[in-house]
Amino acid sequence: AIQLTQSPSSLSASVGDRVTITCRASQDISSALAWYQQKPGEAPKFLIYDASTLESGVPSTFSGSGSGTDFTLTISSLQPEDFATYYCQHFNNYHQVTFGQGTRLEI
Amino acid sequence: EVQLLESGGGLEQPGGSLRLSCAASGFTFSNYAMSWVRQDPGKGLEWVSVISSISGHIYYADSVKGRFTISRDNSKNTLYLQMSGLRAEDTAVYYCARHKEIGKWYFVNWGQGTLVTVSS
Repeated sequence: AIQLTQSPSSLSASVGDRVTITCRASQDISSALAWYQQKPGEAPKFLIYDASTLESGVPSTFSGSGSGTDFTLTISSLQPEDFATYYCQHFNNYHQVTFGQGTRLEI
Repeated sequence: EVQLLESGGGLEQPGGSLRLSCAASGFTFSNYAMSWVRQDPGKGLEWVSVISSISGHIYYADSVKGRFTISRDNSKNTLYLQMSGLRAEDTAVYYCARHKEIGKWYFVNWGQGTLVTVSS
């Protein structure tokens, strides 16, 4: 099964900072990757799909890039509401779904 | 507004059974594949099972295959997860999630989750 490894596992930043989170796949997954944001006590929120397409309603400060095995989620200017845990996710034609282990973004 | 409301969680003994439900509203339920995703408290996300829009295709994670059964009733806009042979490692918050579109297993909407605790 494909494994997704996120780095870093946790990250400290300040409001206004630009931050980048990386998701590395154990094999080529083309662009079949999504990103989610989860705040404590809440369900995950869908942010980006197909590696770089922003879901409707998601602020343009979020962006995704990458293909193959290396992917990034970038927040261009951190807002107070952006402090959360972020997960990458992949699906494949073998009916498998994999999530990364998460990156906790802290103030 | 899309709403997904899970219910049925609770405390169950190892080897026991539970049935989770997910009531959907705000969209044409019968048009979308649905999944169950779980999260061990304080830990990461694990996909559990998927069912296609008209139940023609069903798949499970290896960790629950043979013990869990996913189903749906499109007339009631409701998704189900029948869990049997429960183990301690099944303890988690269980979320139902709507897929974004056919052929792409991205989870665009999520319920608030229902907690399942397996313990003697």
